[in-house]
Amino acid sequence: AQRVTQPEKLLSVFKGAPVELKCNYSYSGSPELFWYVQYSRQRLQLLLRHISRESIKGFTADLNKGETSFHLKKPFAQEEDSAMYYCALTSGSARQLTFGSGTQLTVLP
Amino acid sequence: ETGVTQSPTHLIKTRGQQVTLRCSSQSGHNTVSWYQQALGQGPQFIFQYYREEENGRGNFPPRFSGLQFPNYSSELNVNALELDDSALYLCASGQETQYFGPGTRLLVL
Repeated sequence: AQRVTQPEKLLSVFKGAPVELKCNYSYSGSPELFWYVQYSRQRLQLLLRHISRESIKGFTADLNKGETSFHLKKPFAQEEDSAMYYCALTSGSARQLTFGSGTQLTVLP
Repeated sequence: ETGVTQSPTHLIKTRGQQVTLRCSSQSGHNTVSWYQQALGQGPQFIFQYYREEENGRGNFPPRFSGLQFPNYSSELNVNALELDDSALYLCASGQETQYFGPGTRLLVL
């Protein structure tokens, strides 16, 4: 069965510092991975997906199949990046999302 | 293009009661998925509907059921409510990329 693990429930960094949110997965097939973000009082929204290999709001994530990881990185954190971040993978004919438990990122001034 | 809407925003029920939650999908989307998000957890997949047929189901008991209508709006019904059903219920439309609604917060007393 597929599983997504986000080991950090809380992460605080200072503005301008690099940030890395960790995500590890287990899945027997070829995974498709996503990062979703939820800003305060807003709905869950897609941040990026690994197949598009794009950078959104300065965030990037590389799929490492050897380490089964999909860590989210940003070189210089901004205060507006403070949010809850969820890593997810999609599977099955319904392409249902399996989410991790999330990491609350706080960027301090 | 309108976004995903859900109603009601929140409600309170007692154990043993039944509840119906509603979702209007984003225009043009014929796929709707439902997720349960318990406090401090990531969303968990309940089931998905595609063109009015169930198209995949997560690990939830049969008392969780759903419907999709010809206009692709959807309902989630939960019978015989239990205390552990207290959660945020999210609806998402689309399949390749899932767009989430704001959720319905259910409290079971």
